[in-house]
This record gives sequence, C-alpha cells and structure tokens, in this order.
Amino acid sequence: DQQVKQNSPSLSVQEGRISILNCDYTNSMFDYFLWYKKYPAEGPTFLISISSIKDKNEDGRFTVFLNKSAKHLSLHIVPSQPGDSAVYFCAARVGTASKLTFGTGTRLQVTL
Amino acid sequence: GAGVSQSPRYKVAKRGQDVALRCDPISGHVSLFWYQQALGQGPEFLTYFQNEAQLDKSGLPSDRFFAERPEGSVSTLKIQRTQQEDSAVYLCASSFTGEGSQPQHFGDGTRLSIL
Repeated sequence: DQQVKQNSPSLSVQEGRISILNCDYTNSMFDYFLWYKKYPAEGPTFLISISSIKDKNEDGRFTVFLNKSAKHLSLHIVPSQPGDSAVYFCAARVGTASKLTFGTGTRLQVTL
Repeated sequence: GAGVSQSPRYKVAKRGQDVALRCDPISGHVSLFWYQQALGQGPEFLTYFQNEAQLDKSGLPSDRFFAERPEGSVSTLKIQRTQQEDSAVYLCASSFTGEGSQPQHFGDGTRLSIL
C-alpha cells in the first residue's frame, strides 16, 4: 500500500525554466510534508517542508504547494539550474509519529 | 563535519553472516531513525529512538534485525544471518526532536551487499 506516490519517475526541464514535481498521498492523517533532494551515493538532503495548516511555503527558488482536498502537493523550482539535477523525494508524517513515509522519487534533469 | 556520519560506507557479506552498521547522529539530536532503501525505491522506515529509548520498531522486517542506542547517541543496526534480500542502502537520520517542524537530517548511508 503506497501511501505517498510520485507518479513521474523522471522529468527533464531546460535551464531557466520552471520545474514542477508532483506528489499524491492517500493517508488523510498526514499533517506534515517534506521534500528531499538526493544526489548519487549521498543521503537525502532536506529542501523544504509544509504543515497541513498552510497551503504554500516558499524558500528562495523553491515553493511547495499543498492541496489538502485533493491530497496533492507539488514542488516548484524556478528558475531551474543544472545543479538541481537530482532525485527528489516527497515524504509525509503523521503528527508526532515521527517516522517519514516516502514516495519513490522523481529524477529531475535540468538541461542547458 | 557536523552532519550525520555512517560507517562503513560499503559492506559486502556472505549470506548467513552477521553485520553491524553504525550511525553517529548530529550532536544534541534527540531523535534517531533508521531507514532501508532498495534500488529504485524511496527510503522505508525501520526503527526510531528518542534518546536511548526505542519508541517504534514496527518497520523492522524480521527478528534478524536489531537496533540499539545504549547511551542515547551512537546507534548500531545489527542484521543477523543475512539474506540476499537484505541487500540495500541503510540510511540513518537524526532530528533535534521527533516532533513539530523538525526535519530529519540524513547520513550518506551504508550500502550493504549480500553475496
């Protein structure tokens, strides 16, 4: 039972354009969502998070949008840079349960 | 460095051998987590410590898997009588607390290969 789904395994975007990565979830108890970025042979690096009481959180070039009614969140990267090329994981947590439930990841390639 | 440190980075073992994987969390972080990541998948939760107390071990796949954090700092994940399906990257993460808006910070993992 995949509670967090990233249905696009890969995405290619031109440098300078917007990258949009999507994530869907099924567990309505999730109340905190995170995005992680992962380079090969390294651990996931925290990017940005959002609480379920918000619908948007912005940090520099990264913005996360949450649509609770649709159980959908997205990560926008603008403008995209070649260094953004990595695998992006969406993760979710239920309150104080602490453990994260991850999606399967989306590989982003930013081309010149 | 000030990040989560895991050792060894790579471990090769023969089926049936026991292995021990080590995690040094960020200093002062109360919460520590272990995840297993299979090829092409996202990390999957194994177990969670708050200080030395193991509060959740619901993700451990079998009784061959055992984790400890005796002094509330360094943690060891032990796998007994390894099987080929144990081959994966084992990730450790820590956070200042386990609650609220505290992201988990990950180490670079231990890649375990069982021959």
